[in-house]
Amino acid sequence: DVKVTQSSRYLVKRTGEKVFLECVQDMDHENMFWYRQDPGLGLRLIYFSYDVKMKEKGDIPEGYSVSREKKERFSLILESASTNQTSMYLCASSLDKGLAGGRGEQFFGPGTRLTVL
Amino acid sequence: AQSVSQHNHHVILSEAASLELGCNYSYGGTVNLFWYVQYPGQHLQLLLKYFSGDPLVKGIKGFEAEFIKSKFSFNLRKPSVQWSDTAEYFCAPGYGGGADGLTFGKGTHLIIQP
Repeated sequence: DVKVTQSSRYLVKRTGEKVFLECVQDMDHENMFWYRQDPGLGLRLIYFSYDVKMKEKGDIPEGYSVSREKKERFSLILESASTNQTSMYLCASSLDKGLAGGRGEQFFGPGTRLTVL
Repeated sequence: AQSVSQHNHHVILSEAASLELGCNYSYGGTVNLFWYVQYPGQHLQLLLKYFSGDPLVKGIKGFEAEFIKSKFSFNLRKPSVQWSDTAEYFCAPGYGGGADGLTFGKGTHLIIQP
């Protein structure tokens, strides 16, 4: 079974702090994704990566950056956390290769619920 | 940008009732279609998927969905729901050739009353 793990289930940070959310997948998947999930808004794509050191902006990249130094690991960085970034953050991965692989089945981690005070 | 619309944000049913959740997506050429489910306190998991072939697809736990190309729809159905089906359901089309990944609907919160 594909396993996607996220470094924390719950995180509380203060406004202005730099926040790192880590995601690791164990199935050698090409693509990895970061979403945020908010009530009534569904999932919104922040960034995704289709290869090591490659990244693409999603629908809401402002205030976020990402890093993919190794194939299995995809990090989401909040450079200066703000209260409007309080949310559930979901990481996902998919096997399909290349940009067109973005439409393949995705496997999700358990999520990190981030609260910014 | 591609879009997806889920018709109902909140649905409340009694056990044994039939379920149909609507999903319409915008035209974007080749498309794969997914329904994901999120049970309370659990992570998102795949319910069913359509890539090609028979437009009626069956998923886990007795769910099925029908792809109707002419209507750009992929509605989720279950003939008789159970209390354990209480969850949030997301429709997610995936469009070919782009870097957008899957486009998720806003979700339908389904509550099944015993």
